[in-house]
Amino acid sequence: DQQVKQNSPSLSVQEGRISILNCDYTNSMFDYFLWYKKYPAEGPTFLISISSIKDKNEDGRFTVFLNKSAKHLSLHIVPSQPGDSAVYFCAASANNNNDMRFGAGTRLTVKP
Amino acid sequence: ETGVTQSPTHLIKTRGQQVTLRCSSQSGHNTVSWYQQALGQGPQFIFQYYREEENGRGNFPPRFSGLQFPNYSSELNVNALELDDSALYLCASSFRLGVNYGYTFGSGTRLTVV
Repeated sequence: DQQVKQNSPSLSVQEGRISILNCDYTNSMFDYFLWYKKYPAEGPTFLISISSIKDKNEDGRFTVFLNKSAKHLSLHIVPSQPGDSAVYFCAASANNNNDMRFGAGTRLTVKP
Repeated sequence: ETGVTQSPTHLIKTRGQQVTLRCSSQSGHNTVSWYQQALGQGPQFIFQYYREEENGRGNFPPRFSGLQFPNYSSELNVNALELDDSALYLCASSFRLGVNYGYTFGSGTRLTVV
């Protein structure tokens, strides 16, 4: 069962513009959401997270927005840089549970 | 500080065989989780070990088993390999229980079952 969905397999943006990566979830018990970035031949690296008690969390160029009523979250990268080109995974957990559910990922390409 | 190290990086096995994958957790981390990432999908939780005990398991059959050692390194064992077991196996460590404290992932072991 796909409880976390990333419906866009790929996204291409120009350097300096905004990248918006989207994620939808179905399980209303999820209360913590994370974004991971993965370069080829490397493991995923933690990027940013948000608790369900918040609707926005910002860290430098990266901002995650959470819309609980729509069961939707998004990652904004501003400005996008070529080094941001990677696969981005959205993940969710319930009650700080170790069973973190991942989406299938979105491949972001930032063109110079 | 060293990160999470997994070995081997690539492996080819025949259907029906058994395989052991290894993971050295990041220094100071006492929790290890294993994930399976099939092609085109996100990682799926297999199980987690905390202080040498299994602490949660995903929807994987018993032929997937594991161990954690006193130095917090870990092994993933898969018996009676099936073609669908072909995937990237990721190990992740953390210094506390719970996803909220952040996981450090290794680069993975690419297992191919033929």
